[in-house]
Amino acid sequence: EAGVTQSPTHLIKTRGQQATLRCSPISGHTSVYWYQQALGLGLQFLLWYDEGEERNRGNFPPRFSGRQFPNYSSELNVNALELEDSALYLCATRTGERNQPQHFGDGTRLSIL
Amino acid sequence: AQSVTQLGSHVSVSEGALVLLRCNYSSSVPPYLFWYVQYPNQGLQLLLKYTSAATLVKGINGFEAEFKKSETSFHLTKPSAHMSDAAEYFCAVIGAGGSYIPTFGRGTSLIVHP
Repeated sequence: EAGVTQSPTHLIKTRGQQATLRCSPISGHTSVYWYQQALGLGLQFLLWYDEGEERNRGNFPPRFSGRQFPNYSSELNVNALELEDSALYLCATRTGERNQPQHFGDGTRLSIL
Repeated sequence: AQSVTQLGSHVSVSEGALVLLRCNYSSSVPPYLFWYVQYPNQGLQLLLKYTSAATLVKGINGFEAEFKKSETSFHLTKPSAHMSDAAEYFCAVIGAGGSYIPTFGRGTSLIVHP
């Protein structure tokens, strides 16, 4: 069974640019979660998509946005990049059952110069 | 509301020694609990999960955890540490009702000395 795949692995941008990160879920998983993992700050919840709808978002500005496609894949868009956006962005997917664990991809390392 | 506290941002053990990583949770409803491990430059990998069946849960790589409701704890243990266990460990909780968003602890870095 293929795991959660994220692309690209690394992304280098400059301040003010826009970044798009992508996530493909495990087959059968309908929920997608995005997290930001900055150095020393643990996992910060960004966004949750389920069945194509945004269900919840964390305490991040509106320039962080995304969407989920009919095949349940997802993309995260970050506009007007700032230096502090440099982090590992992790995607996690799972089925709709609450007691099921999330499965994580290996992340996209976003570096802002 | 739910929260997770992982005591100790760093835990250091010798190879072959007992590993104990602490996790305390709060949840207004019966919880589901998870431990994940993260190796450098990788995502999180599920070690084990508690979903209201047996209170002693066995996971991968020789790890296990015991759910203690009276202590609101879900500590992770391994009888004998191996160098390859050096990694970051995260405890997570989600309530049986309410939010579908798991809450993660801040993580504990396990350091294993030869």
